[in-house]
Amino acid sequence: GAGVSQTPSNKVTEKGKYVELRCDPISGHTALYWYRQSLGQGPEFLIYFQGTGAADDSGLPNDRFFAVRPEGSVSTLKIQRTERGDSAMYLCASSLSTQETQYFGPGTRLLVL
Amino acid sequence: AQSVSQHNHHVILSEAASLELGCNYSYGGTVNLFWYVQYPGQHLQLLLKYFSGDPLVKGIKGFEAEFIKSKFSFNLRKPSVQWSDTAEYFCAVNPYGNEKLTFGTGTRLTIIP
Repeated sequence: GAGVSQTPSNKVTEKGKYVELRCDPISGHTALYWYRQSLGQGPEFLIYFQGTGAADDSGLPNDRFFAVRPEGSVSTLKIQRTERGDSAMYLCASSLSTQETQYFGPGTRLLVL
Repeated sequence: AQSVSQHNHHVILSEAASLELGCNYSYGGTVNLFWYVQYPGQHLQLLLKYFSGDPLVKGIKGFEAEFIKSKFSFNLRKPSVQWSDTAEYFCAVNPYGNEKLTFGTGTRLTIIP
């Protein structure tokens, strides 16, 4: 079966621009997670959805970051007024339910020039 | 907040050598523990996990890990490594009832043929 997919695989943008990153979870998975991974570091939690609602957004670094999951499946991570420090790999994961194994997608590598 | 320490940043071994990668976490309560692996050019994959029960867990490709609660450790082992084990290995933890995974900084493993 298909795994978690993320688009685009790479995104280059200019400082100050708006970007959207998309995640398609594994079919039937109710929980969806976003992480950010900088070079030489492990992934860092950003936000977690159970169904359509954000159950924990404590990892979002500031109010320029926002994520939605309107129909409980696909999710979009939105970054406004991008900064060079936002450059990183953005990872999405999904799990069948809570307290289950999280399965990761290939990530979107974001570069802000 | 919980944290995860992986003290070995880069490990170089010859094929057939035995492997042990250290992982320590800081959290006083019940935790779920994971090892993920990232092969070159691929996304994060689950190697093994511990939720409860037997503290010695076996994963894919001959890997195992032992949860020692008194030492807050979850070290990864393999008796005889292969060249194909060359990858980055991440230890991760989430407290029971909390969906947020906290990762270590990773250990890069290089196997010399």
